[in-house]
Amino acid sequence: EPEVTQTPSHQVTQMGQEVILRCVPISNHLYFYWYRQILGQKVEFLVSFYNNEISEKSEIFDDQFSVERPDGSNFTLKIRSTKLEDSAMYFCASGPTRSPLHFGNGTRLTVT
Amino acid sequence: QKEVEQDPGPLSVPEGAIVSLNCTYSNSAFQYFMWYRQYSRKGPELLMYTYSSGNKEDGRFTAQVDKSSKYISLFIRDSQPSDSATYLCAMSPLGQNFVFGPGTRLSVLP
Repeated sequence: EPEVTQTPSHQVTQMGQEVILRCVPISNHLYFYWYRQILGQKVEFLVSFYNNEISEKSEIFDDQFSVERPDGSNFTLKIRSTKLEDSAMYFCASGPTRSPLHFGNGTRLTVT
Repeated sequence: QKEVEQDPGPLSVPEGAIVSLNCTYSNSAFQYFMWYRQYSRKGPELLMYTYSSGNKEDGRFTAQVDKSSKYISLFIRDSQPSDSATYLCAMSPLGQNFVFGPGTRLSVLP
């Protein structure tokens, strides 16, 4: 069964550094998402992407965040200058339509 | 009032029990409802997806939606230790993004 894959599984970075989290969505999907889950808290929406542009973003997704679909298969989330509070699991999700969503296993980001 | 609420648990049941997991919500515009299972340090795994009020069954799982009461449920029959996980409900209005509940931790004891 096709699945959403994310790399790396764990990323450790120093505060102020830039990180890029990578995702390969399911190949025939058209809608792409990033979600975040701080340890012990609920899954929170960051951004949705459709037709090569952001379709919706949350208040969490401020100017330090950006997304890109650099080619036909990858979908990336960049955090320009990481903060301690950015430490979380970041999940990529995709769907053939807006719903339902299929999630990857996440990248655990640790900012020190 | 939070937009989507779930009893956080943990909920412990013996193997073979029927489990009932519930979410309540406040936004009457929610149209799409999903249940996910999340194992520790893994991504949410889609279990059930429903659009309308009523019941939907898939194997040991039954999803129930009552829009008039703003209440959804997931029933697990003949629960197994492998069902031990956190169960997340998620819902959205038409054409908008999903809001997740905080999740209920379930432990099925052998």
